[in-house]
Amino acid sequence: DTGVSQNPRHKITKRGQNVTFRCDPISEHNRLYWYRQTLGQGPEFLTYFQNEAQLEKSRLLSDRFSAERPKGSFSTLEIQRTEQGDSAMYLCASSFVGMGTDTQYFGPGTRLTVL
Amino acid sequence: AQKVTQAQTEISVVEKEDVTLDCVYETRDTTYYLFWYKQPPSGELVFLIRRNSFDEQNEISGRYSWNFQKSTSSFNFTITASQVVDSAVYFCALSNNNDMRFGAGTRLTVKP
Repeated sequence: DTGVSQNPRHKITKRGQNVTFRCDPISEHNRLYWYRQTLGQGPEFLTYFQNEAQLEKSRLLSDRFSAERPKGSFSTLEIQRTEQGDSAMYLCASSFVGMGTDTQYFGPGTRLTVL
Repeated sequence: AQKVTQAQTEISVVEKEDVTLDCVYETRDTTYYLFWYKQPPSGELVFLIRRNSFDEQNEISGRYSWNFQKSTSSFNFTITASQVVDSAVYFCALSNNNDMRFGAGTRLTVKP
């Protein structure tokens, strides 16, 4: 399977715990995006990387959220001191930037439940 | 600011009916891109189509067709002869390079 993969697929945690999600993009893609999707809504952009560089992070939801892509391949999204309001689906997408804009291809998501 | 409105929250049709999903967008940019994605019950967003703001040609792909009208800022999606497998949530999205905004989605249910 050469699509975008995300792990874990499901995560249940207690309020106050830290969680980390991983995204492996399509191998030749140089951009990687993180989104959050709550029930009944469309995906909400959080941050994105071009290779190793995080080019936009102002829309991360709070300073408890952080993301890394250390070698320009896989990425991690960490949420510190989780709150019940963080319960959502976290989606990763990747793309290749060439001419014009890029088409983003999405992974299956990680569903987070904070108890 | 960019915004996408999908006014139809839910649509239910009987198999073989045609159905149109509406999408209206707002942007001040002259160069932008429009997308449709399908999210089946499994949850993974599936890319369907991308259109740039300079190409208003309608597109047909099998039972799917898209009508892009800049004059009304709309990018509507029609499924002809719907099938049960078309049941999903469909999202319209607007992008200017790095900023992708999604609508709230339309849940389509196709009954046998």
